[in-house]
Amino acid sequence: AQSVTQLDSQVPVFEEAPVELRCNYSSSVSVYLFWYVQYPNQGLQLLLKYLSGSTLVESINGFEAEFNKSQTSFHLRKPSVHISDTAEYFCAVSDNSNYQLIWGAGTKLIIKP
Amino acid sequence: DGGITQSPKYLFRKEGQNVTLSCEQNLNHDAMYWYRQDPGQGLRLIYYSQIVNDFQKGDIAEGYSVSREKKESFPLTVTSAQKNPTAFYLCASTMGQGVHKVLHFGNGTRLTVT
Repeated sequence: AQSVTQLDSQVPVFEEAPVELRCNYSSSVSVYLFWYVQYPNQGLQLLLKYLSGSTLVESINGFEAEFNKSQTSFHLRKPSVHISDTAEYFCAVSDNSNYQLIWGAGTKLIIKP
Repeated sequence: DGGITQSPKYLFRKEGQNVTLSCEQNLNHDAMYWYRQDPGQGLRLIYYSQIVNDFQKGDIAEGYSVSREKKESFPLTVTSAQKNPTAFYLCASTMGQGVHKVLHFGNGTRLTVT
């Protein structure tokens, strides 16, 4: 069965510094990949997704993620973070065996002024 | 604006009582979902419904029940049989079915049982 690993539970970073949030999944069989963001005391909202095509996907607020099939990874990056990026980020991967989304445990991005 | 409304935002109950969490959507979405979120864990699926009057158990359905009498409503009841009910509960919906569909979430209900 599919599993998703977000190795870092928290990532502290200074404002305007680059950041990478890591996501690895277990199965390299055809997958759909998602990053969702959860701001404090809110629900989740989609940040970006990979369904097919170009392996590099971008969001409207400067985040990007690259699908790496050989490394079964979908790491999220931003070249320069802002205080408003403070949130928890969840990676999710489809499990085509039972048509469910499998979620990572989440990574809290902490922006230091 | 279209969206998903969960109420109440905070809910407190005594152990042994059933409690119902509300979820209403005006997105005209077919499928609706209930997730449970605990600190340091990902989301876990409780129940989902792809069509009115039909629903399926997710990974952690024990101690929960749902109904889907209307397309726009998918209430979740946390029963006294749920051993550890204190958690953050999220309702979501998708247009159509399929694991590639984007989930739209409500702002959640934080349930505390003492």
